Amino acid sequence: DQQVKQNSPSLSVQEGRISILNCDYTNSMFDYFLWYKKYPAEGPTFLISISSIKDKNEDGRFTVFLNKSAKHLSLHIVPSQPGDSAVYFCAVIQGAQKLVFGQGTRLTINP
Amino acid sequence: DAGVTQSPTHLIKTRGQQVTLRCSPKSGHDTVSWYQQALGQGPQFIFQYYEEEERQRGNFPDRFSGHQFPNYSSELNVNALLLGDSALYLCASSLVGQGWYFGAGTRLSVL
Repeated sequence: DQQVKQNSPSLSVQEGRISILNCDYTNSMFDYFLWYKKYPAEGPTFLISISSIKDKNEDGRFTVFLNKSAKHLSLHIVPSQPGDSAVYFCAVIQGAQKLVFGQGTRLTINP
Repeated sequence: DAGVTQSPTHLIKTRGQQVTLRCSPKSGHDTVSWYQQALGQGPQFIFQYYEEEERQRGNFPDRFSGHQFPNYSSELNVNALLLGDSALYLCASSLVGQGWYFGAGTRLSVL
């Protein structure tokens, strides 16, 4: 059973526009959520996180929104840049010891 | 400051063989976790080592085993390789309160 789901395997966005990546989770007890970005031949790198006590966290061009009632979070990138082309993973911390990842969404920014 | 380093970067084995993958954590980190990322999927937690002991284990068979050394480096061993073990194996190191840092991974191909 997939506890964290990213239902869009890929997303294509025009440079300068907004990119919105979505993630759903099943367990209402999850209380800390993260987004990772992965380039080919590199490991995932931390991008932004949000605690369940908040509904929004912003860091520059990146904003994460959390809707606890819908068990849904989203990552907004504004404006999108070519260097944002990568695979994005949503993850939750489970039991303080491990990360549980979604399947990932491949974002392509077109010039 | 070197980040998380993994070796080798690529490996080709045949079914039934055994393999050892290595990981050196980020300087100052004392905890090492291993993840398996199959093609088109998100990373899946294998196990975590702290103070040379396996602290938590994911849903992987006993063919997967590990070790952590006094200098905090770690090895992942897989016995009796199956075709389905072909994947990217990621190592992540952490220290309480500092999040997880990933290496670039070892790409294992089982023929």
